[in-house]
Amino acid sequence: EAGVAQSPRYKIIEKRQSVAFWCNPISGHATLYWYQQILGQGPKLLIQFQNNGVVDDSQLPKDRFSAERLKGVDSTLKIQPAKLEDSAVYLCASSAGGLVANYGYTFGSGTRLTVV
Amino acid sequence: DAKTTQPPSMDCAEGRAANLPCNHSTISGNEYVYWYRQIHSQGPQYIIHGLKNNETNEMASLIITEDRKSSTLILPHATLRDTAVYYCIVSHLPYGGSQGNLIFGKGTKLSVKP
Repeated sequence: EAGVAQSPRYKIIEKRQSVAFWCNPISGHATLYWYQQILGQGPKLLIQFQNNGVVDDSQLPKDRFSAERLKGVDSTLKIQPAKLEDSAVYLCASSAGGLVANYGYTFGSGTRLTVV
Repeated sequence: DAKTTQPPSMDCAEGRAANLPCNHSTISGNEYVYWYRQIHSQGPQYIIHGLKNNETNEMASLIITEDRKSSTLILPHATLRDTAVYYCIVSHLPYGGSQGNLIFGKGTKLSVKP
């Protein structure tokens, strides 16, 4: 099966600019996650979607970050305006979800954002 | 905060078994133990998970103590390609919903040396 697709692979922007990342999960996966990984740390969950609804966005800095999954398939994560501390790898993951024993998440390769 | 404790780094000789420990003393009865690894410049990759019993697949074995307060991931014959950061995570994942989130710590950086 095809994996989780993310684009772009790399992005460099100046502070106060805006940026958007795109994710296409594995076909049929109802649950989609966005993680932020700062260099040297483990991934940190930003937001979780179940189909097109938000399950958990408690760690999302809502003053500058937004995410949507309008048709319950692909998703976009936006930062506006960006700050230097937003430099990180942004990972998208998907899972089958629900009351089904599964093998956890499948991650994409991520988008590396550098804010200068 | 992550609910697991792992050593920050370990070395292993190529061809030998790599044994990665994890403490999860506050694990609840319906939480699973998951192991992921992250090779440089890639997203995390699922390795194995278990609840109570020891588990084995083509990648690794997972040994969970009887009291479930700790576990060990075993890579039976480590290769240079196993060099990565290994994350031990406890989660309600199979039950979905917000309880099923994976909360990552800093993991163990395993270096396999020739």
